[in-house]
Amino acid sequence: GEDVEQSLFLSVREGDSSVINCTYTDSSSTYLYWYKQEPGAGLQLLTYIFSNMDMKQDQRLTVLLNKKDKHLSLRIADTQTGDSAIYFCAESLGATNKLIFGTGTLLAVQP
Amino acid sequence: DAMVIQNPRYQVTQFGKPVTLSCSQTLNHNVMYWYQQKSSQAPKLLFHYYDKDFNNEADTPDNFQSRRPNTSFCFLDIRSPGLGDAAMYLCATSTRTSAQETQYFGPGTRLLVL
Repeated sequence: GEDVEQSLFLSVREGDSSVINCTYTDSSSTYLYWYKQEPGAGLQLLTYIFSNMDMKQDQRLTVLLNKKDKHLSLRIADTQTGDSAIYFCAESLGATNKLIFGTGTLLAVQP
Repeated sequence: DAMVIQNPRYQVTQFGKPVTLSCSQTLNHNVMYWYQQKSSQAPKLLFHYYDKDFNNEADTPDNFQSRRPNTSFCFLDIRSPGLGDAAMYLCATSTRTSAQETQYFGPGTRLLVL
């Protein structure tokens, strides 16, 4: 089935690390994505990971993938107020590249 | 430079009055997608075009149609908008439909139905 779940809300202090978690159900997913959405705006691609990898680092972002548990996480180091947004994980399905999005996690960064 | 452009950013229509949302892209991508995102929900794929081939999702209501007159432009037509169609509509593009092809999103058009 197609189901991607995330916790709804995360609050951190500026300078701390943020970890946003995601679980998915379709084991055939080959690519998993993290998108950022600021209020009233579209989706900005942050990073992605291929299913045969277990970690990917890109500047302040670290993606961890546990394929056995179908668990994906996004760690943001040194979180800034500009990181406040909704973060969506998404899995890409099969031949049509259909993206199944999670419910989104609202990250609030306190100064 | 904007790569996926959606106009207008905000659209107000009346219940039952047809409305068209537009999307254009400067990436020369083969695939264009339309997603619907209702308030506090995840985006949901409505349909996509691969070149001129239209691919509808099974649960997309018949009220929603799409046109792609050329590579650069794609339109979303809502024939008789209901109150439940108020949402953000997101356009995205990718080079192909294989899983590793990143989708690039436009800023979205927020539709309000009165």
